[in-house]
Amino acid sequence: DSGVTQTPKHLITATGQRVTLRCSPRSGDLSVYWYQQSLDQGLQFLIQYYNGEERAKGNILERFSAQQFPDLHSELNLSSLELGDSALYFCASSTQGLPYEQYFGPGTRLTVT
Amino acid sequence: ELKVEQNPLFLSMQEGKNYTIYCNYSTTSDRLYWYRQDPGKSLESLFVLLSNGAVKQEGRLMASLDTKARLSTLHITAAVHDLSATYFCAALPMNRDDKIIFGKGTRLHILP
Repeated sequence: DSGVTQTPKHLITATGQRVTLRCSPRSGDLSVYWYQQSLDQGLQFLIQYYNGEERAKGNILERFSAQQFPDLHSELNLSSLELGDSALYFCASSTQGLPYEQYFGPGTRLTVT
Repeated sequence: ELKVEQNPLFLSMQEGKNYTIYCNYSTTSDRLYWYRQDPGKSLESLFVLLSNGAVKQEGRLMASLDTKARLSTLHITAAVHDLSATYFCAALPMNRDDKIIFGKGTRLHILP
């Protein structure tokens, strides 16, 4: 158990819908990272927040957005969902802004039908 | 843009044998990561390599980094079935845009 929690574990929704994925980092970790893992794209870095502010942005679609709250938990919002958004979404946390060791959560499996 | 290539992508090997997974990256990086992922599970951090010549070992796994060659290796000694998993390397570019780039992963299957 890495200490990073993600909810929900599984999510099934229809195309065009909007969902919110939630992540709570390990106690004391200030950075949160979001990743998407799909069979065709592999593991892709989406976005990083550090202490409430966006730190780095990867291959995140405009339909996706994220934020980190004062209590350091983070949410990833996915809207206008398409079939291709079906994937495992991982959250990771680390203590610092520059990632040293990252601790990954269990993931949320999103299925868009 | 930093690119990370792993090879092989698939590896089936016998228990007791040694093998090496290679991770090449295209631009300067001083931070190289290795992760393990079991099927349907999350990623587990194995090693973080920060400098040229860095070598880290944990059990039957040993990782090294050659920043001049832009190469990291993950060496498996006397493989056991429990090491069957997918292994990812990832690199952080030195330009500090903080976009961690992952390789495609090496699916390792160790036959008893």
